[in-house]
Amino acid sequence: DAKTTQPPSMDCAEGRAANLPCNHSTISGNEYVYWYRQIHSQGPQYIIHGLKNNETNEMASLIITEDRKSSTLILPHATLRDTAVYYCIVRVHYGGSQGNLIFGKGTKLSVKP
Amino acid sequence: DAGVIQSPRHEVTEMGQEVTLRCKPISGHNSLFWYRQTMMRGLELLIYFNNNVPIDDSGMPEDRFSAKMPNASFSTLKIQPSEPRDSAVYFCASSLAGGGGNQPQHFGDGTRLSIL
Repeated sequence: DAKTTQPPSMDCAEGRAANLPCNHSTISGNEYVYWYRQIHSQGPQYIIHGLKNNETNEMASLIITEDRKSSTLILPHATLRDTAVYYCIVRVHYGGSQGNLIFGKGTKLSVKP
Repeated sequence: DAGVIQSPRHEVTEMGQEVTLRCKPISGHNSLFWYRQTMMRGLELLIYFNNNVPIDDSGMPEDRFSAKMPNASFSTLKIQPSEPRDSAVYFCASSLAGGGGNQPQHFGDGTRLSIL
């Protein structure tokens, strides 16, 4: 599976958009980009995933560059409850299962009032 | 809807004791995963099951660890004998495999294990 690179930490003002980058320059054509987050003392929570098109759901938007070597997770209006560690994961999926997710160190996002 | 349920939430025991962690996946899910999280190593997959069958146990640290899934609604992770270095938060996750969809994993709140 392709490796990912994320900044270790970021700050964001409450109510502003949080843009979390992820580099995955060795991604292959059949690998998806997944984002999860982990709020303190809780289990990780799925946010969004994509292959090559931009995706949006009720939680966030995912922007994938045309060459697929990087992506950005956007939380449009960050709240204090969005303070968490955000993980970008790249892997193949098969049989409809995400199988083995390899979590890196992620980005610790701190949303400040 | 009930999510993934793990028990106990906290466990403190002495070195050498047997520890059993339990997980009830989301009803209808057919994939189950056990992860371990420590400050040093982050989140690591220990083992995962599809349709109650272990698929990949390469992350299980050693023979002291064993996992079972006797039916679709229950799984256990056992450590015998336990050692202080096993202290960690253990997460269980489940997902729906198959059907052509790309289904996310749903995690429980974890078991915080301390081995003295």
